[in-house]
Amino acid sequence: AQSVTQPDIHITVSEGASLELRCNYSYGATPYLFWYVQSPGQGLQLLLKYFSGDTLVQGIKGFEAEFKRSQSSFNLRKPSVHWSDAAEYFCAVGYSSASKIIFGSGTRLSIRP
Amino acid sequence: GAVVSQHPSRVICKSGTSVKIECRSLDFQATTMFWYRQFPKQSLMLMATSNEGSKATYEQGVEKDKFLINHASLTLSTLTVTSAHPEDSSFYICSAREGGNQPQHFGDGTRLSIL
Repeated sequence: AQSVTQPDIHITVSEGASLELRCNYSYGATPYLFWYVQSPGQGLQLLLKYFSGDTLVQGIKGFEAEFKRSQSSFNLRKPSVHWSDAAEYFCAVGYSSASKIIFGSGTRLSIRP
Repeated sequence: GAVVSQHPSRVICKSGTSVKIECRSLDFQATTMFWYRQFPKQSLMLMATSNEGSKATYEQGVEKDKFLINHASLTLSTLTVTSAHPEDSSFYICSAREGGNQPQHFGDGTRLSIL
């Protein structure tokens, strides 16, 4: 069965610092991987997705993620965070483009001024 | 593009009433829509998957008669919480997918409070 683990519940970084949010998945074949961001009281916005091809994926708002099959990971990165990046980040995995997706438990990002 | 509108954004009602939540894809045709429930500070829990013109597929543990889902057109799905009780209070979020390799796009959610 598919599962997604986000080991960090809450991360605080200083504005301008680099960011890496961890995501590990469990699935036998090549998964479909997503990162979403949620601001308080709102829905989710897709940051980026990986289906196949280049393992380094560029997304919106300056985010990128790298698919590493050997580590079953899909970590989200940003070289320099902005105060507006404070939000909840969810990693998600599906077994096909048409399937339902399973969400991780989320990582709350706080930005230190 | 890929805008999903969810309405209402917030609803407060008395115990025993039924509440309908709408999910619309504004600029694309959604072959599949999903309904999620999110408890405070927790992740999203998939409740059901609905395909246009067919019955919804509910996840294990979700009461079909409690949470009625209708996906009558390619741009509209509705979730009706029947005979709502305080334990049904939650944040409900819908998503829609156009098909093929397209990802899910989410609405802004509905905060449901049952008194």
